[in-house]
Amino acid sequence: NAGVTQTPKFRVLKTGQSMTLLCAQDMNHEYMYWYRQDPGMGLRLIHYSVGEGTTAKGEVPDGYNVSRLKKQNFLLGLESAAPSQTSVYFCASSYGGAEDTEAFFGQGTRLTVV
Amino acid sequence: LAKTTQPISMDSYEGQEVNITCSHNNIATNDYITWYQQFPSQGPRFIIQGYKTKVTNEVASLFIPADRKSSTLSLPRVSLSDTAVYYCLVGDRMDSSYKLIFGSGTRLLVRP
Repeated sequence: NAGVTQTPKFRVLKTGQSMTLLCAQDMNHEYMYWYRQDPGMGLRLIHYSVGEGTTAKGEVPDGYNVSRLKKQNFLLGLESAAPSQTSVYFCASSYGGAEDTEAFFGQGTRLTVV
Repeated sequence: LAKTTQPISMDSYEGQEVNITCSHNNIATNDYITWYQQFPSQGPRFIIQGYKTKVTNEVASLFIPADRKSSTLSLPRVSLSDTAVYYCLVGDRMDSSYKLIFGSGTRLLVRP
């Protein structure tokens, strides 16, 4: 049981390049989330999904897009990376609804945009 | 969404009990209170969740007074490995728009 797996773990991008971060969960969770965490700060919600085929904006959605084509996967895309998007990105998943007692997090993706 | 307020940082010593209080004055009737722990370079980890009174598990206790406008996470006999950031979250887990919003958290430093 792998839990929540993020790919890649590290990445360096040049300004203007695009990339996709992959989050995969094997717990049959309905809800999935993408966060960013800047040094010394708390987590900020980028986008989230409450089920396959659905997505919604979080606190800081600008510059990012997401897709949830399969229940187990949640993709985060950066179309044109900017240095302000340098951060650690975390993905999480949870059951949702009455069973939503906790969210499980991936190990993070450290992204540097130069 | 109920706003939470926590101390920015706390210091303690090994073996002491640590109590971190979170204020959530506008908590709604259906809201649950959840605490997470985060170590450097790791994703947050669930600690405990409660609705009212007291909840205890193998890691911590959560005290919630009758008015539910605050909650206290209690860590018994802390060790150096409890040095981490602790987040208090409040929300209605039945609400599909519940966004699992993290605040700034409380940075706990446990000293030898």
